[in-house]
Amino acid sequence: IAGITQAPTSQILAAGRRMTLRCTQDMRHNAMYWYRQDLGLGLRLIHYSNTAGTTGKGEVPDGYSVSRANTDDFPLTLASAVPSQTSVYFCASSEGLGLAGAGANVLTFGAGSRLTVL
Amino acid sequence: RKEVEQDPGPFNVPEGATVAFNCTYSNSASQSFFWYRQDCRKEPKLLMSVYSSGNEDGRFTAQLNRASQYISLLIRDSKLSDSATYLCVVNNPYNQGGKLIFGQGTELSVKP
Repeated sequence: IAGITQAPTSQILAAGRRMTLRCTQDMRHNAMYWYRQDLGLGLRLIHYSNTAGTTGKGEVPDGYSVSRANTDDFPLTLASAVPSQTSVYFCASSEGLGLAGAGANVLTFGAGSRLTVL
Repeated sequence: RKEVEQDPGPFNVPEGATVAFNCTYSNSASQSFFWYRQDCRKEPKLLMSVYSSGNEDGRFTAQLNRASQYISLLIRDSKLSDSATYLCVVNNPYNQGGKLIFGQGTELSVKP
């Protein structure tokens, strides 16, 4: 089934540890995104990638890094986790960049990764 | 002012009721509008895009009012299975990467 796969599903992590959340899509979408979702704050964009080889900062990028070596994969790395990074992380992709055409903007989300930093 | 604002609810309605959600957005240049649905502890999923002329999909009707900068979602004949959080999503064409802005979501609970 075409879609987005995230791993791990959930993880408990000690503060200061490095963690990489994996995201893979098989839809050949150009754009990919990482969001975090916290109670009362909704979904906030961490980083995005318009196409393979390029990345950009979203609304809350501090403490996170991403890479886009190819079209399918978009891992999110926490170099040194802190408790405030406890959240649910969603990876998403879209055909286009959100600049024109409703169809190109439609996001497909992964099932999420629930991260707890102690 | 937030770029996209929704009434968080919760909206508690009986089965069969009609319920309407509104969402306001601040950027008059926004061009794309959507409603997503999110079930508890699950990922958001597209419910419907919102077109300028308004559009309907079964029991769901979406409207766009550009002059007042809001979109709405009407659910008729509510079902228990409609219980979820409904997210309003708007694009900001001036943001590099054309990022989509999510509202906080409106929680709907349909009771028997």
